Amino acid sequence: SQTIHQWPATLVQPVGSPLSLECTVEGTSNPNLYWYRQAAGRGLQLLFYSVGIGQISSEVPQNLSASRPQDRQFILSSKKLLLSDSGFYLCAWSPRQNTEAFFGQGTRLTVV
Amino acid sequence: DAKTTQPPSMDCAEGRAANLPCNHSTISGNEYVYWYRQIHSQGPQYIIHGLKNNETNEMASLIITEDRKSSTLILPHATLRDTAVYYCIVRVESNAGNNRKLIWGLGTSLAVNP
Repeated sequence: SQTIHQWPATLVQPVGSPLSLECTVEGTSNPNLYWYRQAAGRGLQLLFYSVGIGQISSEVPQNLSASRPQDRQFILSSKKLLLSDSGFYLCAWSPRQNTEAFFGQGTRLTVV
Repeated sequence: DAKTTQPPSMDCAEGRAANLPCNHSTISGNEYVYWYRQIHSQGPQYIIHGLKNNETNEMASLIITEDRKSSTLILPHATLRDTAVYYCIVRVESNAGNNRKLIWGLGTSLAVNP
């Protein structure tokens, strides 16, 4: 069966520090991969999606970047965090035929 | 913008059926209706999806009107653990362009009460 791992679960980082959140998927090949952000009491906002190694599409201009160095690994990064980067970050994958999406447990990032 | 509208909140008594409505009046012929739920501080969980016919699985039933402009998610015997935000999403099952994205609204916050 397929599983998705996302870590860490919580993170407190100072303004101006770098960020690296990692997501890995097991039990499937060539998944579509996604990074979402959710502000408190709001819906999910798509940040990045990837349909293959090295292929990243950015949905909104922001202080973040994403990379996909391996087929089942998706990394969200920032060189210098801003206070506005605080939020709940979710990684997800879907099959190539793009049916249902499966989400990780999320990372709650607080920038102080 | 989300293509669906849902009531912001609903209550349901434990053990009773929870019926969550969703309006998608501009749905296209090739768009599916998907339902997810998000328990507090967790990632969303896929529940069910359908195109035209009613669907049922171990979690819920999905009733889609004949004109496909609205649907209802039914949790037949709600438990306290079903308390969550329920999202209704319409999308094309295609890996081309914008079809890869899910557009999320604010969902319905369901409170199951003892």
